[in-house]
Amino acid sequence: DVKVTQSSRYLVKRTGEKVFLECVQDMDHENMFWYRQDPGLGLRLIYFSYDVKMKEKGDIPEGHSVSREKKERFSLILESASTNQTSMYLCASTMDRENSPLHFGNGTRLTVT
Amino acid sequence: GEDVEQSLFLSVREGDSSVINCTYTDSSSTYLYWYKQEPGAGLQLLTYIFSNMDMKQDQRLTVLLNKKDKHLSLRIADTQTGDSAIYFCAEIGGGNTPLVFGKGTRLSVIA
Repeated sequence: DVKVTQSSRYLVKRTGEKVFLECVQDMDHENMFWYRQDPGLGLRLIYFSYDVKMKEKGDIPEGHSVSREKKERFSLILESASTNQTSMYLCASTMDRENSPLHFGNGTRLTVT
Repeated sequence: GEDVEQSLFLSVREGDSSVINCTYTDSSSTYLYWYKQEPGAGLQLLTYIFSNMDMKQDQRLTVLLNKKDKHLSLRIADTQTGDSAIYFCAEIGGGNTPLVFGKGTRLSVIA
């Protein structure tokens, strides 16, 4: 089974802090994604990557950056946390973005105070 | 662009059947997916259907696909309290976005 691991289940950060969310997958997937989930808004794509050192903006990239130095790891960075970034962050990966489903981690619930 | 619509809430009694509906826009989608999200967890792939199929059954789950109307449904037979969750419909999108998700249907099962 594919395992996508997000390093933290819960995080509490202060406004203005730089926040790092880590995600690791163990199935040699080339494609990795970061989503944000909010009630009533569903999943919104922040950033994705189709290869090492490659990144593409999703629908809501503002205030974020990403890092993909190794194939198995995809990090999401909140440059300066704000209270409106309090949310659930979901990482996902897939082998084939055309014909395969996404496999999700358990999510990181971030609270910014 | 692609859009996936689903109702936000559904409430059923334990033992009844649940039907969660979804409409999508991209007729070129090869696969359509149903994901389940339990409280505090990530999304778990529940089932999927290939676009050349009309129906797929997997134990208590039945997926129906009407390509003409771009309508997808998930039926859960003999719904249990453990089925309480948010259910997401998703289709393969075009361009760089592989999956487009609906906003999710929150299923509440009343004992």
